[in-house]
Amino acid sequence: GESVGLHLPTLSVQEGDNSIINCAYSNSASDYFIWYKQESGKGPQFIIDIRSNMDKRQGQRVTVLLNKTVKHLSLQIAATQPGDSAVYFCAERFGSARQLTFGSGTQLTVLP
Amino acid sequence: DGGITQSPKYLFRKEGQNVTLSCEQNLNHDAMYWYRQDPGQGLRLIYYSQIVNDFQKGDIAEGYSVSREKKESFPLTVTSAQKNPTAFYLCASSPGQGGEQYFGPGTRLTVT
Repeated sequence: GESVGLHLPTLSVQEGDNSIINCAYSNSASDYFIWYKQESGKGPQFIIDIRSNMDKRQGQRVTVLLNKTVKHLSLQIAATQPGDSAVYFCAERFGSARQLTFGSGTQLTVLP
Repeated sequence: DGGITQSPKYLFRKEGQNVTLSCEQNLNHDAMYWYRQDPGQGLRLIYYSQIVNDFQKGDIAEGYSVSREKKESFPLTVTSAQKNPTAFYLCASSPGQGGEQYFGPGTRLTVT
């Protein structure tokens, strides 16, 4: 079956800089996308979601961009902080069962 | 506090033994899910349940079993038929099918 993938497995940024985490999806029928944050040894935590009828959605310090033309999703984190260090997953929803399919994740490391 | 609890946090078993992982939620969610996570990988769906007394196989159901006798509880049994049971197991719930999922803290199972 089709699955969500990520461009980079690791990303290091300086504290205070902006971070951009990318995600490629292959199913054009996906209608809903979620970004999760997972700290070491813990369960994933919801960050932000976006529906396929939107191109952009903003939250507190985070923005998700959806480009359906190239099937690309990105998560932007403004003024990255040490507490942002974690693995970030994107997930897509498609199909009659409407389950979420998760990517393998990107490890974000914030450097002092 | 509302949320999802999983117990225990760490679990050790000998090969050939069945083991049951607990998942309880007090969010009044209809749907519940079990995922398996291996190092450096995303989440893979084991089983899900949309409603009490009903559950469906996910992508990697072989060697696992579940029950959904109560809305708030969705225990997962890892049987001796599961060839590689050592992993991090995550339980999640959602208000309905296909929406945002809320995750528990996970159970790390080690089988030797």
